[in-house]
Amino acid sequence: DTGVSQNPRHKITKRGQNVTFRCDPISEHNRLYWYRQTLGQGPEFLTYFQNEAQLEKSRLLSDRFSAERPKGSFSTLEIQRTEQGDSAMYLCASSLGTVTDTQYFGPGTRLTVL
Amino acid sequence: GNSVTQMEGPVTLSEEAFLTINCTYTATGYPSLFWYVQYPGEGLQLLLKATKADDKGSNKGFEATYRKETTSFHLEKGSVQVSDSAVYFCALSEKAAGNKLTFGGGTRVLVKP
Repeated sequence: DTGVSQNPRHKITKRGQNVTFRCDPISEHNRLYWYRQTLGQGPEFLTYFQNEAQLEKSRLLSDRFSAERPKGSFSTLEIQRTEQGDSAMYLCASSLGTVTDTQYFGPGTRLTVL
Repeated sequence: GNSVTQMEGPVTLSEEAFLTINCTYTATGYPSLFWYVQYPGEGLQLLLKATKADDKGSNKGFEATYRKETTSFHLEKGSVQVSDSAVYFCALSEKAAGNKLTFGGGTRVLVKP
């Protein structure tokens, strides 16, 4: 068990470009969550998957954001036409999906939009 | 909706001092409560949790008790070390809401030798 991994760890892009982040959860974890954390704030929920099904999306997730988990394993989060306000740390977490769930977080991808 | 409020930092302490970080919550149902810690340059780590009223979570000398009557989950440690310097986040989740976590704003703790 190597924990939750995220790639890349850092991404610098110009406004208007598209970016994609990847999350590899702990194996056998069927739930996968995405959060966004801006400087000095707590993480905010974006979306989550139960296996390959996307079950909920936050209102924070505008139409420019899309997430997938095609085979119920890794997940990708894509941001189209990035804006400076998208600059943040994007966190991925996974869990077994039990009643008293514990989520384990990856190291995050820090996005900077110039 | 659900929300978590925790005391603002930074909290600056001397080594071996007593630490308390207040956390209160608002929830529609019966949440599970968590404390996560973020050490400098590292990701979020679960510190402790409690899943029902009057449960006490504990780990690494830290404790927090789930108080339903005061909707609180205050974090305490009797004698802090320099290595406890970090940002601490209180959070809740509800099964009916997909167990997604709602976090407080975080409290930065700095322990000086």
